Amino acid sequence: DAGVTQSPTHLIKTRGQQVTLRCSPKSGHDTVSWYQQALGQGPQFIFQYYEEEERQRGNFPDRFSGHQFPNYSSELNVNALLLGDSALYLCASSLAGYPGELFFGEGSRLTVL
Amino acid sequence: SQQGEEDPQALSIQEGENATMNCSYKTSINNLQWYRQNSGRGLVHLILIRSNEREKHSGRLRVTLDTSKKSSSLLITASRAADTASYFCATDAASGNTPLVFGKGTRLSVIA
Repeated sequence: DAGVTQSPTHLIKTRGQQVTLRCSPKSGHDTVSWYQQALGQGPQFIFQYYEEEERQRGNFPDRFSGHQFPNYSSELNVNALLLGDSALYLCASSLAGYPGELFFGEGSRLTVL
Repeated sequence: SQQGEEDPQALSIQEGENATMNCSYKTSINNLQWYRQNSGRGLVHLILIRSNEREKHSGRLRVTLDTSKKSSSLLITASRAADTASYFCATDAASGNTPLVFGKGTRLSVIA
């Protein structure tokens, strides 16, 4: 049973560039949430996708956007990268209607220079 | 914003000792969860306690919840070097369909 997989694991970008991060949820899960974790901090909620729509959104600017595909996989896009976007981006999957445990991937480490 | 706040921020103990971490939150919740994160890795779910529960056990873990004080504690008994990690509490507010909100975490170091 495959868990949550994320790609790429590490990447380096420069200010102003755009980045796309990818996530495949745990088998059987239909909901994907994205979190940003700065060094030494707890994960901050970015948004959640269900049935290919953004269902909830945290306090992040419009530069952060996402998408969910019919196979439940998801992408996180960040435009006009800032130095402060450097962080570990975590994807978590769950099953709608069963609030509780989130299953996390290993994350994508983004460094913006 | 972060709902839960863990205390202490960092904790260092000897192997075999017990480790206690606390979490305080601000609003009424449906449930409270604890997660573990090894350095730079993904988070792993440890235990969930519902708002109508007061105590829960899982192996060497014991979680308590006091909704009147809006606080929870995580006890790890007979700690091992492999327990070295960051521990986060996470809550989902009782007011409707809300995302899971994490605290800043407690960094636990278990010295062999």
